[in-house]
Amino acid sequence: DTAVSQTPKYLVTQMGNDKSIKCEQNLGHDTMYWYKQDSKKFLKIMFSYNNKELIINETVPNRFSPKSPDKAHLNLHINSLELGDSAVYFCASSLGRTTGELFFGEGSRLTVL
Amino acid sequence: GQNIDQPTEMTATEGAIVQINCTYQTSGFNGLFWYQQHAGEAPTFLSYNVLDGLEEKGRFSSFLSRSKGYSYLLLKELQMKDSASYLCAVSRGNQGGKLIFGQGTELSVKP
Repeated sequence: DTAVSQTPKYLVTQMGNDKSIKCEQNLGHDTMYWYKQDSKKFLKIMFSYNNKELIINETVPNRFSPKSPDKAHLNLHINSLELGDSAVYFCASSLGRTTGELFFGEGSRLTVL
Repeated sequence: GQNIDQPTEMTATEGAIVQINCTYQTSGFNGLFWYQQHAGEAPTFLSYNVLDGLEEKGRFSSFLSRSKGYSYLLLKELQMKDSASYLCAVSRGNQGGKLIFGQGTELSVKP
């Protein structure tokens, strides 16, 4: 039933490790996003894919690499984790690339020690 | 640059009406969005304004004045479950999903 699902929901890891977060949506949307919410609760866009094509790539360290194997899936891989990467990462999807009506997943809370 | 301002927190009483303001400065403005986020949960879409005026949706209404760079979210007949963070966001150009969010207003509804 879950529309946008992310795994894992919680991730605790050491500095320097590599980790991945996976996202899947069953809404039939063609556009997916990664947003980061920091400790001050600001939500900031990181990436967006439309039909597997990268369309938004904000100023994000290249340690972050998104991958969209198909339009229902969007993964985020993070290399060489740093303390400042600790945040909640939200996946979202939308019908079309021009709408701001986004459907968010439950979030993945990443803690880097 | 872009700037979105909204109060950090507000308190209101159950059954009352509360208005959460948002001011923004951005180029290429396309639309103004409001999202609700309960603690530890996903943001959920509440409303969208592209033209000036009031959009009503049940207990929630949202207003936009493009010339003033101003919006508000009006919540009527407040319920305890309305305690949440309310996020104002703007979209620019044809990148509708690239939302620029404000810090959010933490609303506490008291009995």
